[in-house]
Amino acid sequence: DAGVIQSPRHEVTEMGQEVTLRCKPISGHNSLFWYRQTMMRGLELLIYFNNNVPIDDSGMPEDRFSAKMPNASFSTLKIQPSEPRDSAVYFCASSFSLRSNEKLFFGSGTQLSVL
Amino acid sequence: DQQVKQNSPSLSVQEGRISILNCDYTNSMFDYFLWYKKYPAEGPTFLISISSIKDKNEDGRFTVFLNKSAKHLSLHIVPSQPGDSAVYFCAASAPGNQFYFGTGTSLTVIP
Repeated sequence: DAGVIQSPRHEVTEMGQEVTLRCKPISGHNSLFWYRQTMMRGLELLIYFNNNVPIDDSGMPEDRFSAKMPNASFSTLKIQPSEPRDSAVYFCASSFSLRSNEKLFFGSGTQLSVL
Repeated sequence: DQQVKQNSPSLSVQEGRISILNCDYTNSMFDYFLWYKKYPAEGPTFLISISSIKDKNEDGRFTVFLNKSAKHLSLHIVPSQPGDSAVYFCAASAPGNQFYFGTGTSLTVIP
């Protein structure tokens, strides 16, 4: 299996622009998570889906952030408009289920820089 | 509020010695704990886990200890190797809930 695939690996954009991050989970996994890594908060959960349905988006920092999962093999995280404080590494992860003993499998992340 | 805390941002250890990484949590409902390892420019990868019904789990050079009364877990690496140099994240979850991660500890193993 190719694992969780994220694109792009790096994104540099200017403040105010729209940014879209993409994720393809592992085939057969029913749960998908979006995390943001910062020095201050570590790996911070933004939103997660189960069977393509958003379960909890309380971690989404502002209305500027939105996420979709139109099918079992694709999800997007969109920031519109982007701001410099959104600069971070964004990770997508998937798991077979939401059971607490399920391991998460992470993608390689998207390094976002907003100038 | 951080429900999982790693209070040591960094740790340096000589090759061959023991590395001990610590993690504290606040939620008594957590029933499963994991350690993830992250190399630069890569995503975190699963390292070892422990259920709340156990107090120790061992996998080769890696051992995780859980002290439920103190709400504390630790990861021991013996012997430490230069390839172990990475950021280590502690994570915890409750039934039907998402994983909460700590801020990570950067381990440097000095040859």
